[in-house]
Amino acid sequence: SQTIHQWPATLVQPVGSPLSLECTVEGTSNPNLYWYRQAAGRGLQLLFYSVGIGQISSEVPQNLSASRPQDRQFILSSKKLLLSDSGFYLCAWKRSGGPSQETQYFGPGTRLLVL
Amino acid sequence: GENVEQHPSTLSVQEGDSAVIKCTYSDSASNYFPWYKQELGKRPQLIIDIRSNVGEKKDQRIAVTLNKTAKHFSLHITETQPEDSAVYFCAARKYNFNKFYFGSGTKLNVKP
Repeated sequence: SQTIHQWPATLVQPVGSPLSLECTVEGTSNPNLYWYRQAAGRGLQLLFYSVGIGQISSEVPQNLSASRPQDRQFILSSKKLLLSDSGFYLCAWKRSGGPSQETQYFGPGTRLLVL
Repeated sequence: GENVEQHPSTLSVQEGDSAVIKCTYSDSASNYFPWYKQELGKRPQLIIDIRSNVGEKKDQRIAVTLNKTAKHFSLHITETQPEDSAVYFCAARKYNFNKFYFGSGTKLNVKP
């Protein structure tokens, strides 16, 4: 079966500090991977998605970046955090392939507080 | 691109009553519509989904209906229980596209 991991689970960082969040998926190959952010009490904002190693699509221009150094690893980074970067960061995966491979599954999330 | 609108933003029902959440989408090419339930502090969990070749799908107390002509789909929860209290998100996706477009969420409160 497939499992998705995210770490850390929680993070408190000062404004201007760097950020690195990691997501890994087990039990599948060549998944589509996604990063979402959810502000408190709000909806899901798609930040990045990736269909393969080194392939990143950015949805929202901001001070965040993403990388996919390995097939099942997705990293979200920032060089300098802003207060507005606080939120619940969710990684998600989906099998690549035909119409039967459509469901997206979310990881447990990382709660980030920027002070 | 696709635009998904979700209503209502909050919904309060008495335990045992039914709850209905509605979503509309703009792109007629969308053909996959999942619904997620997110409990406080937790990840969104898929509860039911429907594809455009089907008009209705049921799973125990949960059902989803799809009207392709009107471009709207709805989540129906019958015999609501306090543990149904959560935020529910609808989403839409086009075949062979990688992005999911989410609604803004509905906070459901089931009063015991």
